[in-house]
Amino acid sequence: AQKITQTQPGMFVQEKEAVTLDCTYDTSDPSYGLFWYKQPSSGEMIFLIYQGSYDQQNATEGRYSLNFQKARKSANLVISASQLGDSAMYFCAMREITNAGKSTFGDGTTLTVKP
Amino acid sequence: DADVTQTPRNRITKTGKRIMLECSQTKGHDRMYWYRQDPGLGLRLIYYSFDVKDINKGEISDGYSVSRQAQAKFSLSLESAIPNQTALYFCATGGTQNTGELFFGEGSRLTVL
Repeated sequence: AQKITQTQPGMFVQEKEAVTLDCTYDTSDPSYGLFWYKQPSSGEMIFLIYQGSYDQQNATEGRYSLNFQKARKSANLVISASQLGDSAMYFCAMREITNAGKSTFGDGTTLTVKP
Repeated sequence: DADVTQTPRNRITKTGKRIMLECSQTKGHDRMYWYRQDPGLGLRLIYYSFDVKDINKGEISDGYSVSRQAQAKFSLSLESAIPNQTALYFCATGGTQNTGELFFGEGSRLTVL
């Protein structure tokens, strides 16, 4: 079974609107971390946001927030006030302590922001 | 200068050739990783190293080997390249700090003809 599932291969959003990118995960480890990375067309991987499994509050970083629903094992990324520069591929990842602390990535969602 | 540097950034080679991708980091991290990305897909772990004497296979290590020459250097080799190893390769460090995020190099795009 896939550990990280991103069900939206592609998403479109109008500039200045908010968009939610879905991510569900599968783990039996009580201690884990969830991450979102951005990959622009230039190819580099950029860390966006982190949520720890024991964190009580949803993580926020500027226009990015992580909607963490532990019981549903979901960690959706919300981007508010989309900008043209947000067009990129977005990857959800999970780091499990029992998996030697390695990170596992989903297949990604390509986001296109329309002017 | 980038914290994680990969060389070469682009390489075209022929089937059967030996290729080495090099990675160096200035982050001071013990942990280093090599990932592979295929078009439209996520990153898959090839090898990882938690220190100079600790090297481990990832989920897709067949056809690859690595060398950890120093804390700051981790190289990936394709002993005899084949076309289905055409991909974007990333080196990354980190994973032990409080949040555990990875710091990536800019990627090495390899084409095997």
